[in-house]
Order: sequence, then C-alpha cells, then structure tokens
Amino acid sequence: EAQVTQNPRYLITVTGKKLTVTCSQNMNHEYMSWYRQDPGLGLRQIYYSMNVEVTDKGDVPEGYKVSRKEKRNFPLILESPSPNQTSLYFCASSFRHGPYNEQFFGPGTRLTVL
Amino acid sequence: AQSVTQLDSHVSVSEGTPVLLRCNYSSSYSPSLFWYVQHPNKGLQLLLKYTSAATLVKGINGFEAEFKKSETSFHLTKPSAHMSDAAEYFCVVSDRRETSGSRLTFGEGTQLTVNP
Repeated sequence: EAQVTQNPRYLITVTGKKLTVTCSQNMNHEYMSWYRQDPGLGLRQIYYSMNVEVTDKGDVPEGYKVSRKEKRNFPLILESPSPNQTSLYFCASSFRHGPYNEQFFGPGTRLTVL
Repeated sequence: AQSVTQLDSHVSVSEGTPVLLRCNYSSSYSPSLFWYVQHPNKGLQLLLKYTSAATLVKGINGFEAEFKKSETSFHLTKPSAHMSDAAEYFCVVSDRRETSGSRLTFGEGTQLTVNP
C-alpha cells in the first residue's frame, strides 16, 4: 500500500531533550516536506526537500533540522525542544516538486514539550 | 507572495442540505488551488485540485469547486451533506513558479459539522 508513515504518533518530552520524528514514504517520491499544524493557523511548512541531499527552509524552520540521506526517509530533528514546539506535525511527499503535484500526508505526530 | 483566507472557521449544516465552504486566495502568479480534508485523528486527504484546466473541478465524495479569477475565489460545494462529511477542510494555494518547490500555503481551516 502506498503510504507515508511517521513515528512516533504521540510523544511527550521535556524541554531540551533532543528528539527525532521519522518519516518514510514507499512511493519513490522526490519531494518531501514537514508541516506543523496549530489551532487557527492551518498548516505551516517547516522544511522541504526536493531530492536526496537537497533541503531548504520553509516558513517556520527555527528550532528544527532535517536530513535527506535516502530518498524514502526525511527525519525531523529537534535538537533542544521548547514548549512552543508543542504541535501536531505532518510529513508529506509528492512525486516531484512543482505546484501541480498532489502531496500525500502521513497520519501526524502529536508532540508535547513540557 | 500568496495567501489564502477561509471565510468561515465553522460551518454547520443538516444532513441532506447543501454545503458551501468559502475560500479566497491571493497570488502573484497563476495559482494552483487545492481542497484537502482532515478527518479526526487522520492525515490530510486531497479532495480536488485546480491547475488551469476547467474552472469547475469535480472531486471525490461528490464535492466540487469553481475557480473564479475575477473574484479570486475557490469555494467548495456539495449538493447534499452526509454525516461522514463532518471534518476539517483546508483550502490551499500554490503558485506556478517551478522554483517555489511546491510551497503550499494553507488556509486556517473550516470545521464542518453535519447535524442529523
């Protein structure tokens, strides 16, 4: 089944404790992206990657890192999480970059930083 | 720059009555426009998209949307609401510059409630 998977689905952590949220897609998509969803703000893009070893900042990149060493994986790294990073996070992928391509979303990761 | 405004944060309808979710957009270039749906505790699913072909776009589950350039609108409609339509709906714009890297701009969402 074609899908985007994220792990963990739920995470409660404390300020400053490094964490990684994994994202994997099995559709051989070139383009991958991370979003955060906050009430009343819709989804905002954190980082995106057009292909392996090619990443760039989205609209709200502060406090996050990403890497794209393999085509299928695009982990999101919070080196020193803070409470304002408490949010619902979505990974998405599409066949390639460009405005015509549908993005496929993962199920989401709900992160709470205490 | 591009932006999206969803004019209603909440819409409540009765089962079997029409649904109208309103969306206005702003884009410096000819936009592509999307509607996504998010059911509780689920990821987002594409309902339909406009990419400069027909201005009336049909999507899944009986939804459709009409692109009106003069009004900069892309409202989502359905003739008859079903209980399973209760969800949050997002209007999304993407401009047509290839260098934009598929940067989607999301509206704030409209929560649709369907009453029996």
